Parts: sequence; structure tokens; C-alpha cells
Amino acid sequence: NAGVMQNPRHLVRRRGQEARLRCSPVKGHSHVYWYRQLPEEGLKFMVYLQKENIIDESGMPKERFSAEFPKEGPSILRIQQVVRGDSAAYFCASSPPGMPGSGKNIQYFGAGTRLSVL
Amino acid sequence: AQKVTQAQTEISVVEKEDVTLDCVYETRDTTYYLFWYKQPPSGELVFLIRRNSFDEQNEISGRYSWNFQKSTSSFNFTITASQVVDSAVYFCALSKAYGNKLVFGAGTILRVKS
Repeated sequence: NAGVMQNPRHLVRRRGQEARLRCSPVKGHSHVYWYRQLPEEGLKFMVYLQKENIIDESGMPKERFSAEFPKEGPSILRIQQVVRGDSAAYFCASSPPGMPGSGKNIQYFGAGTRLSVL
Repeated sequence: AQKVTQAQTEISVVEKEDVTLDCVYETRDTTYYLFWYKQPPSGELVFLIRRNSFDEQNEISGRYSWNFQKSTSSFNFTITASQVVDSAVYFCALSKAYGNKLVFGAGTILRVKS
């Protein structure tokens, strides 16, 4: 029974390159969330997606960041033209289907992708 | 706005000591959920507990116990007879009743020495 799978675990990019982070939710889960953890800080919400829909992107930077959760395949967090300040751990979580926007849903987290920008 | 404060940045204890991790939250909502997660050295976040704002009963699960006090907006976590395997970063988090963002505290690093 696989949990949330994120890959790669570590990603190194040079400034200006693109970073693509992948997240496969727990089987049967239809809600996906992305969080960012900067060094010495807690996790900060970025975006909440359901299949083929972005539900809440209030935590996403306005430029260079995008996320998708297609009908088939993993959720992707894409960062274009990375800068040093994007270096962080990016965590994906998933939760089971339930009442839309129900805060009671438990979010199960992956092990994260550590992005380093040189 | 919602906010979670974990004032203890790092705690070190010797094995078998009891340790309490503090969590204080701020919210204007009357209905909300509180969570604790554990982040071991391997990096993933492990769900420990969810509590809703209407249930102030303390909860015990093995060596873990949680004390929810609405009057002081606190949701503290106690580990009894700590073990080296308890060494991790512990996060407290808050969500609205109808909303999907988790608002996290900065985390407390717990080091348990043998």
C-alpha cells in the first residue's frame, strides 16, 4: 500500500533552468496539495488541486510557478527560470475524496523533493 | 488570519524523560482542526493526530498524549518515557473547518539522547 510518492528526492538546477517535481498521491486519493519548506521554517501552503482542476492557488508565487494534476498521471509542480531563492524542500500531500473544502480531511505527506539552485 | 506558534525551537532530553512540545494557535473561526505531524530524519511527514475544536477531551495513544485547551488556544503534545526513535522535528498545524490549507508552526526539533 504505497503512500505519497515524490520524485526526484533531490534535484539540482542552475539558475535559469526549469524544475519539474512529480507527486503520485495515495491510491484512491483525489486531492493533492503542494507545500514549500524554506530552511529553518515550517511548511507553507502553495496550491490545492483536484483532478484536472486547480482549487486554491493562493500560496503560489505569481510568476514562474505552475501546478497541474491531470486525469492520468502524477501531479506536477513546475518552476521556470529557477533562482537561488527557490532552493527549498517541496512537499506534496494527498487526501481522500470528501466534502469539497473539508478541513477535516487528513493530508498524508510524501518525503519531499529537495531543490538546490546553483 | 490563522497562525501557529511553536516557541521551542529545539529540545534535548535524555532517554526515558518525559517531554512536552508546546503549540499555541490563533484563529477567528469557531470551528477548526488541529494536527500534529512528525518529521523523522528520513524527511517525510508522518501524521500523528487530528483534533476538532469542539472536542476538548485529552487523548492518549501509547506514550503520546495531547492536551487541547481552548481557553488558552493551546494544543500541547507530551511524549512519556522518550526514546531515541522519537528524535525528529514535530510540527503543529491548523486548518479551517472548510478549507484545505494547513497552516504550520515552525516546528520543534526534539533530540533524545541515550
